[in-house]
Amino acid sequence: TQLLEQSPQFLSIQEGENLTVYCNSSSVFSSLQWYRQEPGEGPVLLVTVVTGGEVKKLKRLTFQFGDARKDSSLHITAAQPGDTGLYLCAGAEVRTYKYIFGTGTRLKVLA
Amino acid sequence: DAGITQSPRHKVTETGTPVTLRCHQTENHRYMYWYRQDPGHGLRLIHYSYGVKDTDKGEVSDGYSVSRSKTEDFLLTLESATSSQTSVYFCAIGQGLASQETQYFGPGTRLLVL
Repeated sequence: TQLLEQSPQFLSIQEGENLTVYCNSSSVFSSLQWYRQEPGEGPVLLVTVVTGGEVKKLKRLTFQFGDARKDSSLHITAAQPGDTGLYLCAGAEVRTYKYIFGTGTRLKVLA
Repeated sequence: DAGITQSPRHKVTETGTPVTLRCHQTENHRYMYWYRQDPGHGLRLIHYSYGVKDTDKGEVSDGYSVSRSKTEDFLLTLESATSSQTSVYFCAIGQGLASQETQYFGPGTRLLVL
């Protein structure tokens, strides 16, 4: 079974600071997705990256897929309290396209 | 928001009893999934369905069965609940196993097995 490890597990920062969350694996994925989950709700898709080296921006969020399609990062610029939540990465297995989810990064942005 | 509902939203049951969770969609998506979410493990796939009466196992299928008799409903059954099955269960829907599939998740069912 492929594994996706996220780091850090927990992050508490002040409003306005920048942060990066990492999603790493020793396996290659056909694509990688990032989700955000708020308490009591299901995850909501933020972005899908497909090509090695691909960079996508969503307002203050920047997502990058590693060149070898084994890892990804999420960078948030000038974090706001509304960014608080659990961030999950999910990689699509090359052969089956089933998604393997990472362990999650719980972010808290303090006002 | 995708039309996905889960019932019940919360359930407390005793070890050894059967439990059935229901997922209902109004989007006519072909694929439906059941995941469980536990601290330190993220989301893990239990079973999924790729059509009416067509189902397959995920990575943590032991102790669970599923059924899909209609496009809109996907049932997850714990035949004899154990404490290790205490978890939050999420249903998701999608249009197909593909590299860029978007999965839409329901609100979750919190299950406590005493």
